[in-house]
This record gives sequence, structure tokens and C-alpha cells, in this order.
Amino acid sequence: EPEVTQTPSHQVTQMGQEVILRCVPISNHLYFYWYRQILGQKVEFLVSFYNNEISEKSEIFDDQFSVERPDGSNFTLKIRSTKLEDSAMYFCASSGPTGPHIQYFGAGTRLSVL
Amino acid sequence: DQQVKQNSPSLSVQEGRISILNCDYTNSMFDYFLWYKKYPAEGPTFLISISSIKDKNEDGRFTVFLNKSAKHLSLHIVPSQPGDSAVYFCAASEGNAGNMLTFGGGTRLMVKP
Repeated sequence: EPEVTQTPSHQVTQMGQEVILRCVPISNHLYFYWYRQILGQKVEFLVSFYNNEISEKSEIFDDQFSVERPDGSNFTLKIRSTKLEDSAMYFCASSGPTGPHIQYFGAGTRLSVL
Repeated sequence: DQQVKQNSPSLSVQEGRISILNCDYTNSMFDYFLWYKKYPAEGPTFLISISSIKDKNEDGRFTVFLNKSAKHLSLHIVPSQPGDSAVYFCAASEGNAGNMLTFGGGTRLMVKP
């Protein structure tokens, strides 16, 4: 069964460093998303991406964040200068053309900012 | 932001019995509702969804009921199995908002053998 793949599973970084979280969405999907879950809190929407551009973003997704689809298979989330409060699980998701509201999630990347 | 709320943090059920998980929402613009299951160290797994124009959707042991007037939905699992033990998230989307999902806080379901 097709699945969303995220790498790495765990990323440790120093405050102020840049990180790139990588995702391979399901191959025929057209909509891509990033969410995050801070420990003990709800899963929160960050950004949605369609047709090579951001279609929606939350207040969390400020200028420190960016997304890119550098080729036909990868979808990345970059955090330019990490802060302690960026420590969280980051989930990538994708959805297909027939049911864009049904999003399929990857296993997540745990980001630890020290 | 409490647009989607799951008031029960945990639920314990005997194997073979019915599990009922509840979810309330406040945003009347939501047009799709979804339930996800999550095991530790995994991402949310899609279970079942329902459009706001319906009041019931069934898929095997899982049925979702939507009461729009009460802004309430529920997930019924019958019969419950030990493998159903996980955290269940209710989520909602608003079609004009880039399909962003708004999640509830989750309910931990424990099914006892």
C-alpha cells in the first residue's frame, strides 16, 4: 500500500541552525501538507501546498519556515534558524485528486532543538 | 483555539463491546469530518470520514455519526478489539481553507481482552 515517507525519523540540532525535513508523498497525490505536534499538545496545521505554491498557511508558518517541491517526488520543510520552541513532531501528509480532504500522514520527524 | 474538541482524554472498553468516541466542534463552515487513529511513534492513520451533507457513514466495524444541529460527531467501533487500542483524533476541514485539518486533542482508547 502506498505510503508517505519522512526522513530523518529524528533530527537533533542546535538553536539557530537550519534544518530541512524531507517527505516523499504518495506518488499520484497533488496536495501536500505539513503539520506539527508539540509534546502534549494538539496536532497543528502549518501549511498546504498545491500546484507548486502555498495554498494556505497558519500563523505558526512565519518567515522562518519555507516549503519546496524540488523535484517530482520530494516535498521539504525548511526552518531557517531553529528555536527551542520548534522542538516537536513534524508530520507530512498528502491527499489525492478524488478526495483532497482525506490526508495520509507519514510517521513523522522528531525535531529536537538544543 | 478550541474549534474541535474531544472532551474525554481516555476511554476503557471490554473486548467485543462497543466503543463510542465523541467530538464537538464550533465552526459551522467545516464541511468534512475525519477520524484518525494513532499508535505511538507513528503518524495518524486515516479511518473514516463524513461529509457535512450526510449524517452517517459506515465502513466495516467503524461508523461515524454527524449531528450538525448539535455540532457533534461520534465514532462507533463494534465490536472493539484489543488492536483498536490507540489514540483517536477527530479532525475537520473547511473546503475553502486549503484543506487544512483542525484536530481535536485526542482520546486514548484502551480495549481490554
